[in-house]
Amino acid sequence: KQEVTQIPAALSVPEGENLVLNCSFTDSAIYNLQWFRQDPGKGLTSLLLIQSSQREQTSGRLNASLDKSSGRSTLYIAASQPGDSATYLCAVRPLSYGQNFVFGPGTRLSVLP
Amino acid sequence: GAGVSQSPSNKVTEKGKDVELRCDPISGHTALYWYRQSLGQGLEFLIYFQGNSAPDKSGLPSDRFSAERTGGSVSTLTIQRTQQEDSAVYLCASSPEGVGELFFGEGSRLTVL
Repeated sequence: KQEVTQIPAALSVPEGENLVLNCSFTDSAIYNLQWFRQDPGKGLTSLLLIQSSQREQTSGRLNASLDKSSGRSTLYIAASQPGDSATYLCAVRPLSYGQNFVFGPGTRLSVLP
Repeated sequence: GAGVSQSPSNKVTEKGKDVELRCDPISGHTALYWYRQSLGQGLEFLIYFQGNSAPDKSGLPSDRFSAERTGGSVSTLTIQRTQQEDSAVYLCASSPEGVGELFFGEGSRLTVL
């Protein structure tokens, strides 16, 4: 059964720092991996989608990498801002379990001004 | 539509009443998902639709929960005889095809008194 974990569970950094969020999954047989952010009381906003054949995706100050063989993905946030404060979740779509995504528990990020 | 639309955004009901939650996915998206998120918790998968059929209903917590999708578009999640433990945010998501990017609505917050 596919399991997704995220480390750390919470992170607090001063504004301007570069930071890395980690996502690990137990089964490398995936279609894709997606990163989301969730603001309090809101739905999830898609940040980046990486297909299983890709190694990384970039959008603005965000860069996500995927190492399928080791079951890891990282989300790199450059020059963090207070507006980046949110919970960040990763999700994988496994090959073996139909079309259902498996979500990690999230990393709660606080960027202090 | 421009995004996934959910209604109502907030619903307060009394224990034992039935509720209906509606999801209008992005136009043309064939896959539709329902998730539940309790306060401070992660995402709990409820049900997945491909077109009008539901190949994966494994997450529905009890027979009080049901969902349908008509015309390959709008979906309704019905909770009968609501209980206090049903209080949560119910999130709907859609994707353009089986392995595409997942987009979420803002959720319906259900409070059962």
